[in-house]
Amino acid sequence: DADVTQTPRNRITKTGKRIMLECSQTKGHDRMYWYRQDPGLGLRLIYYSFDVKDINKGEISDGYSVSRQAQAKFSLSLESAIPNQTALYFCATSDSRTETQPQHFGDGTRLSIL
Amino acid sequence: TQLLEQSPQFLSIQEGENLTVYCNSSSVFSSLQWYRQEPGEGPVLLVTVVTGGEVKKLKRLTFQFGDARKDSSLHITAAQPGDTGLYLCAGLVISNFGNEKLTFGTGTRLTIIP
Repeated sequence: DADVTQTPRNRITKTGKRIMLECSQTKGHDRMYWYRQDPGLGLRLIYYSFDVKDINKGEISDGYSVSRQAQAKFSLSLESAIPNQTALYFCATSDSRTETQPQHFGDGTRLSIL
Repeated sequence: TQLLEQSPQFLSIQEGENLTVYCNSSSVFSSLQWYRQEPGEGPVLLVTVVTGGEVKKLKRLTFQFGDARKDSSLHITAAQPGDTGLYLCAGLVISNFGNEKLTFGTGTRLTIIP
């Protein structure tokens, strides 16, 4: 079983629709992250959360929102999707007790906005 | 904004050849991580280097952290088709105030031709 599970794995939707991407983890990590991956741009951080009551913007948070419902769950929402939000989205976790903060990734959600 | 530039962006070589991938920045990092990502999956951590000048080996892969902790390299000896994938470096900065920021590089897409 995957330690970090993302749903859905693929989604095609239309401009203007509200979309929610879900992430759950069984690693017991306190920190969770949402990244966006585009060709040639690597991974860019959208939002991150260090515990249930903590939400922080990353470098590209405009047009996105998140909710940390429990330590194991972190969801990403696109309130009104637009075509340039078409990308591969990754959820990741890390353990604050680990000095170097290695990231543990889910398998991604491929999102297409038409 | 810290930038991590990886080169080359794309590399296609024959099985059995050697190669080196570079990760460069003008920023000093507390540590640097290397990940490999295969199609349809999330990135997976290969190694973390922490000390300037540190060299770590993982079978045929050799990772080096620059003396000034601003750059890193990944050298693969006798490349195999299983080495094919997207290689990402990520640098961690920890500020004097304890704030942490992990920045990913732009990625190197490696293809090993049998």
